[in-house]
Amino acid sequence: DIQMTQSPSSLSASVGDRVTITCRASQSINSYLNWYHQKPGKAPKVLIYTASSLQSGVPSRFSGSGSGTDFTLTISSLQPEDFATYYCQQTYSVPWTFGQGTKVEIK
Amino acid sequence: QVQLVESGGGVVQPGGSLRLSCAASEFTFSSFGMHWVRQAPGKGLEWVAFINLDGNNKYYADSVKGRFTISRDSFKNVLYLQMNSLRAEDTAVYYCANYYYDSTHRYFDYWGQGTLVTVSS
Repeated sequence: DIQMTQSPSSLSASVGDRVTITCRASQSINSYLNWYHQKPGKAPKVLIYTASSLQSGVPSRFSGSGSGTDFTLTISSLQPEDFATYYCQQTYSVPWTFGQGTKVEIK
Repeated sequence: QVQLVESGGGVVQPGGSLRLSCAASEFTFSSFGMHWVRQAPGKGLEWVAFINLDGNNKYYADSVKGRFTISRDSFKNVLYLQMNSLRAEDTAVYYCANYYYDSTHRYFDYWGQGTLVTVSS
């Protein structure tokens, strides 16, 4: 199974901050890396798919990069509605696996 | 507006069974593979099971293999998860999600709101 490791597990940031979350795969997954965010009590929503493609309707302050084993999600200017938990996920091979999550909290 | 609505969750004793449903609307259900994903209280996301668009291919997480069965009724636009021999560690919110898959992209697109399964005596 491919293990996905996110860092950090949590972070505190202020509105307007630039935030970066990293995700590392235990083996190469090409660009089959997706990012989701989840607010308490709600279902996850896809933000970025295939490493760098922005899902329709997602603000342009979100961006993704990387390939192979190392990936990054960047929020260029954190907004109040962005405080949530973020998960990376590989869809390169079965079983599909998620990172452990990164909780973004208000400083 | 695509809708996926899960139902069937509840409280069940260890060793018991439960069947979850996921009803799809405003959505070409028969054109997509479908997943079940779960989230234990306070924990992260865990993929559980997948069924392809015609129901001929199914995959399961090792943690549920042999106990859970995924199926679909593309006439009724409903996805199912039959869960047998339930354990305390199966306690979670269960989500259904469709699988967007083409030559370039593969991701879990639309998600339901989830249904809570609690395994407890």
